[in-house]
Amino acid sequence: NAGVTQTPKFRVLKTGQSMTLLCAQDMNHEYMYWYRQDPGMGLRLIHYSVGEGTTAKGEVPDGYNVSRLKKQNFLLGLESAAPSQTSVYFCASSYDWEGHNEQFFGPGTRLTVL
Amino acid sequence: EDKVVQSPLSLVVHEGDTVTLNCSYEVTNFRSLLWYKQEKKAPTFLFMLTSSGIEKKSGRLSSILDKKELFSILNITATQTGDSAVYLCAVEAGNYGQNFVFGPGTRLSVLP
Repeated sequence: NAGVTQTPKFRVLKTGQSMTLLCAQDMNHEYMYWYRQDPGMGLRLIHYSVGEGTTAKGEVPDGYNVSRLKKQNFLLGLESAAPSQTSVYFCASSYDWEGHNEQFFGPGTRLTVL
Repeated sequence: EDKVVQSPLSLVVHEGDTVTLNCSYEVTNFRSLLWYKQEKKAPTFLFMLTSSGIEKKSGRLSSILDKKELFSILNITATQTGDSAVYLCAVEAGNYGQNFVFGPGTRLSVLP
């Protein structure tokens, strides 16, 4: 039982390049999330999914796209990377337990955009 | 706009001290409040609080929620150097569990 995994762990991009971050979970969770974490700002929600085939925007969605083609995977794409997207990206998944959710986090991806 | 505020933002104590971390919130359709500990990498879950006045305990850590005054506290007694971390408070809001609002975190440093 690997929990939530993310690939890659580190990446350096040049401005304008594109990339995809992969998140996978083996807990059969319905909900999945992508966050970014910047110094002193906690975690900010980029996009989330409440089930296979569904996605929705979070607090800071601009410059990112997501897809949830399979229940266990949630992909985050950057079409044209910008230095402002330098951050640590965390994926999380959760289940609804008696009307409340506990999130499980992946190890993070450190992205630098030059 | 949903908001979670934590205080202090940074705290330095010595081993054996007791600390209290604060979290206040303003959200629509509150569902639960969660505390996480974040060391080098991913946040790890500590507590989920849904009801006022009921203390949750785990070893030297405890937490309580006040839904009337919209705040929670996290207490750590007899602190150890291993407690050094960023403590994140998050509030689950909305109708479908999709909206988690995080505070900026409290960075706790425990000196030997």
